[in-house]
Amino acid sequence: DAMVIQNPRYQVTQFGKPVTLSCSQTLNHNVMYWYQQKSSQAPKLLFHYYDKDFNNEADTPDNFQSRRPNTSFCFLDIRSPGLGDAAMYLCATSPFRYSNQPQHFGDGTRLSIL
Amino acid sequence: DQQVKQNSPSLSVQEGRISILNCDYTNSMFDYFLWYKKYPAEGPTFLISISSIKDKNEDGRFTVFLNKSAKHLSLHIVPSQPGDSAVYFCAASEANAGGTSYGKLTFGQGTILTVHP
Repeated sequence: DAMVIQNPRYQVTQFGKPVTLSCSQTLNHNVMYWYQQKSSQAPKLLFHYYDKDFNNEADTPDNFQSRRPNTSFCFLDIRSPGLGDAAMYLCATSPFRYSNQPQHFGDGTRLSIL
Repeated sequence: DQQVKQNSPSLSVQEGRISILNCDYTNSMFDYFLWYKKYPAEGPTFLISISSIKDKNEDGRFTVFLNKSAKHLSLHIVPSQPGDSAVYFCAASEANAGGTSYGKLTFGQGTILTVHP
């Protein structure tokens, strides 16, 4: 089955220690999104890639970076995690930038900060 | 500033009855709306969508109603089943004149639906 896979499912890191979350997809979709969802809050879009074109949301902290080395993979890098960055991170894909086809989500990575 | 709001954190319904989940939005540029369902430890999965050129869209037991003047949409599940117990997210995006979404979604905070046997 075509899928969006996030690794790891659970990640624990220390305050200030860089961490990378991974997302891969077998759907061959052009667009990949990263969302942050804190407890009982709405998922919030951090940034997205349309092919290799990176699009950052205006209020995404500089501490958050992303890389997309190829169509299948996208990474979320948090350079110096703070306690406020503990959250569920969701990756999603879409076939086209402008489309009514719904986004497909992975199962998320839950990040804890010690 | 929360542009999409789901004011009921939770809803409890008896099996076989109707579940009505509500969503309000403030951004008048939103023209495309979706509902996602999320089970624990899984990612959100798409349920149903509606473009602002319609006021109703139906798919089996699920119907979404849109009242653009009130900036309100609702999801009706009839009849409700225990397997429908999940968190339901409303999401919205801007769209072009033809009703095609620009892709970037703004989510509500979700409503936990519990369907009792």
